[in-house]
Amino acid sequence: DARVTQTPRHKVTEMGQEVTMRCQPILGHNTVFWYRQTMMQGLELLAYFRNRAPLDDSGMPKDRFSAEMPDATLATLKIQPSEPRDSAVYFCASAQAGVYEQYFGPGTRLTVT
Amino acid sequence: AQTVTQSQPEMSVQEAETVTLSCTYDTSENNYYLFWYKQPPSRQMILVIRQEAYKQQNATENRFSVNFQKAAKSFSLKISDSQLGDTAMYFCAFMRVTGNQFYFGTGTSLTVIP
Repeated sequence: DARVTQTPRHKVTEMGQEVTMRCQPILGHNTVFWYRQTMMQGLELLAYFRNRAPLDDSGMPKDRFSAEMPDATLATLKIQPSEPRDSAVYFCASAQAGVYEQYFGPGTRLTVT
Repeated sequence: AQTVTQSQPEMSVQEAETVTLSCTYDTSENNYYLFWYKQPPSRQMILVIRQEAYKQQNATENRFSVNFQKAAKSFSLKISDSQLGDTAMYFCAFMRVTGNQFYFGTGTSLTVIP
């Protein structure tokens, strides 16, 4: 049963600390998305990659957020320094070339105090 | 820009009854995809159903079906024989064929009442 995995599932950290979230897309999927979900803003696209190349990161605050795909099996989203307003659930999703459904991971719930 | 509107923040339905969730969208594109995702309390986003804009036939997946009205830019989800496990947030999403980017609505919280 192929699925997207995300670690950690929960993260509590203090303001100013670095946070790294990881995502393993479904094997064979070549497109990876990062979303943020909050009560106020709903689901927002932060960035996405195709074949490991960043295609769009316009939804991401550039001064503190960065996203990378070191290899085809790992995507990372980093926040440095973290702020309380970054508290949210961060989802990773992956999609297969030519297929339009996105498959979501279970999310990382981030709390910044 | 594409926008997706779900005008019903909350809905409830009796178990075994039928409920319809509404979604409208705004786009100048002619070729696109529409989706309904379900997010139960576990937070996992689960694909419920998808519809290709070039297809006139409405998509159906077991108890879930859509009413796709392209001219009206409307894409409603009908859940028949509602079950307790259908209790969740439901998100409508739009995707252009060129780009892969999803645009989500704000969601409808559905409660199935025993």
